[in-house]
Amino acid sequence: EAGVVQSPRYKIIEKKQPVAFWCNPISGHNTLYWYRQNLGQGPELLIRYENEEAVDDSQLPKDRFSAERLKGVDSTLKIQPAELGDSAVYLCASSLDSHSYEQYFGPGTRLTVT
Amino acid sequence: KQEVTQIPAALSVPEGENLVLNCSFTDSAIYNLQWFRQDPGKGLTSLLLIQSSQREQTSGRLNASLDKSSGRSTLYIAASQPGDSATYLCAVIEGAQKLVFGQGTRLTINP
Repeated sequence: EAGVVQSPRYKIIEKKQPVAFWCNPISGHNTLYWYRQNLGQGPELLIRYENEEAVDDSQLPKDRFSAERLKGVDSTLKIQPAELGDSAVYLCASSLDSHSYEQYFGPGTRLTVT
Repeated sequence: KQEVTQIPAALSVPEGENLVLNCSFTDSAIYNLQWFRQDPGKGLTSLLLIQSSQREQTSGRLNASLDKSSGRSTLYIAASQPGDSATYLCAVIEGAQKLVFGQGTRLTINP
């Protein structure tokens, strides 16, 4: 069984440029999460989807960040424009449904903003 | 607001030693607590999940305990091996599957 797939694995951009990350969850998993992990810190939740609905986006900086999960399967997280402080690892995770505590994480996308 | 702290931030021990990683949290109203392992450049791998009604969980050489009243959890690793070198993260699970992570302990096992 394939795990959570993320692309790209690494991205280097200049500040003020846009960037997008893609995530494909484990097949059949209805709940999808995006986390941001700063260097030396634990991940912090940005947004949680139940199918195509964003049910918790309270930690998403909405002035520059956006996310979508149009068909309730794969998801895209976008930053526009990127700032130096956005440099981090962006992790995607999925779980079977809203009653499942087990979250499965992808390898992450390491973003460097110069 | 829930805060999760892990001590120490880094730990280096010789191969074969038993060791304990610590995790503390400020709000005891949690559903569960989970320990993860993170290897460089990789995502998180779940090691053990302790439900709030449980006091410990074991998997192979790993044993995790939970004391909700004191807001503490420990991860015990027996007979450490170089392959155990990684960053270990604990996370408390609050309502609606929200994970709140500590900052992690970077563990190095020296051959």
